[in-house]
Amino acid sequence: EIVLTQSPATLSLSPGERATLSCRASQSVSRYLAWYQQKPGQAPRLLIYDASNRATGIPARFSGSGSGTDFTLTISSLEPEDFAVYYCQQRDNWPLTFGAGTKVEI
Amino acid sequence: EVQLVESGGGLVKPGGSLRLSCAASGFTFTNFPMNWVRQAPGKGLEWVSSIDTSGSFVYYAGSVKGRFTISRDIAKKSLYLQLTSLRAEDTAVYYCAKGMTSVTTNAFDIWGQGTFVAVSS
Repeated sequence: EIVLTQSPATLSLSPGERATLSCRASQSVSRYLAWYQQKPGQAPRLLIYDASNRATGIPARFSGSGSGTDFTLTISSLEPEDFAVYYCQQRDNWPLTFGAGTKVEI
Repeated sequence: EVQLVESGGGLVKPGGSLRLSCAASGFTFTNFPMNWVRQAPGKGLEWVSSIDTSGSFVYYAGSVKGRFTISRDIAKKSLYLQLTSLRAEDTAVYYCAKGMTSVTTNAFDIWGQGTFVAVSS
């Protein structure tokens, strides 16, 4: 099973600041990594798929990069609505797995 | 509008069974694999099961294999998850999620609102 390790667990930032979230895989997942955003009481929302492709309707301030085992989600300038939990997910191998999440808080 | 609506959750005793349903609308149901993902209270996301476009190939997390069964009904545009031999650790919100492309291993681009399953005596 591919383990995804997200860091940091919590990121404390202010609106307007840049957020950099990391996801490291225990073995290569090529570029088959996605990022999701989840707000309290809501279902997750797909942000990025295949490492760097923004999903439909996702603002340009969200960007993804990486390949192999190391991936990054960057939010260039935090908006108030961006404070949430972010998960990475790999689709390279069964079982599909998620990271434990990074909480971006004010 | 593309939409997934889950139903069937509730309170069940350990060892009991439950059937979750997910009604799909707004997209061609037969073209996409479908998935179940769960989230225990206060915890992260856990992939549970996937089914390919035809329903011929199914995949399960080790924690549910042999106890849960995924299926789909093309005519009813619905996805199902039969849960048996339920344990306290199966307590979670269960989300139905649409695969992004026709490939079975996928990102999940559309999610339902979730249905809560509580396993307790």
